[in-house]
Amino acid sequence: GENVEQHPSTLSVQEGDSAVIKCTYSDSASNYFPWYKQELGKRPQLIIDIRSNVGEKKDQRIAVTLNKTAKHFSLHITETQPEDSAVYFCAATRGGGKLIFGQGTELSVKP
Amino acid sequence: DAGITQSPRHKVTETGTPVTLRCHQTENHRYMYWYRQDPGHGLRLIHYSYGVKDTDKGEVSDGYSVSRSKTEDFLLTLESATSSQTSVYFCATHEQASTDTQYFGPGTRLTVL
Repeated sequence: GENVEQHPSTLSVQEGDSAVIKCTYSDSASNYFPWYKQELGKRPQLIIDIRSNVGEKKDQRIAVTLNKTAKHFSLHITETQPEDSAVYFCAATRGGGKLIFGQGTELSVKP
Repeated sequence: DAGITQSPRHKVTETGTPVTLRCHQTENHRYMYWYRQDPGHGLRLIHYSYGVKDTDKGEVSDGYSVSRSKTEDFLLTLESATSSQTSVYFCATHEQASTDTQYFGPGTRLTVL
């Protein structure tokens, strides 16, 4: 079945630096790739997503890139701020809503 | 937050007891999901529903059952709770198959002693 690997599991950056989280997926039919942010004790919340017909998508300081050939996608956060500290999850699906999640990355932004 | 609530929010129970968790949504979303979240495993799908009385298994369904008698409610039952089912349980919904964005409920922290 579909598998999603996410790296790194923890990431520590200085405020103002960039952060990159990478995911690889196994199902070549996957066509939707969301990223969720989960603050401590809170629910996961969608921050950005990308569909397979698009190579890159940006929303202010965050961006996602997709390489279908290599079957990997990445989350880029620029000008990190302490409020970016959270656990980030990538996910993939071939449609119909059954998301397969990566293991999560705990991002720590140090002031 | 797509009008999703979960009850109870916290529960402590003993091994062997039955437990039912409730997810309630006010958005009239067709699809509903139950996930469990454990350290190092991300979110794993337990069961999902694609309509009233239509449910199917996810990747970690053993020991769990679900029911959906109304569009707005999706129940997760642990028939005989075990310590390995100690986890945080999240419900999620989305509107239709072509719209894959899922919205999550606030979660239920379940501890099985």
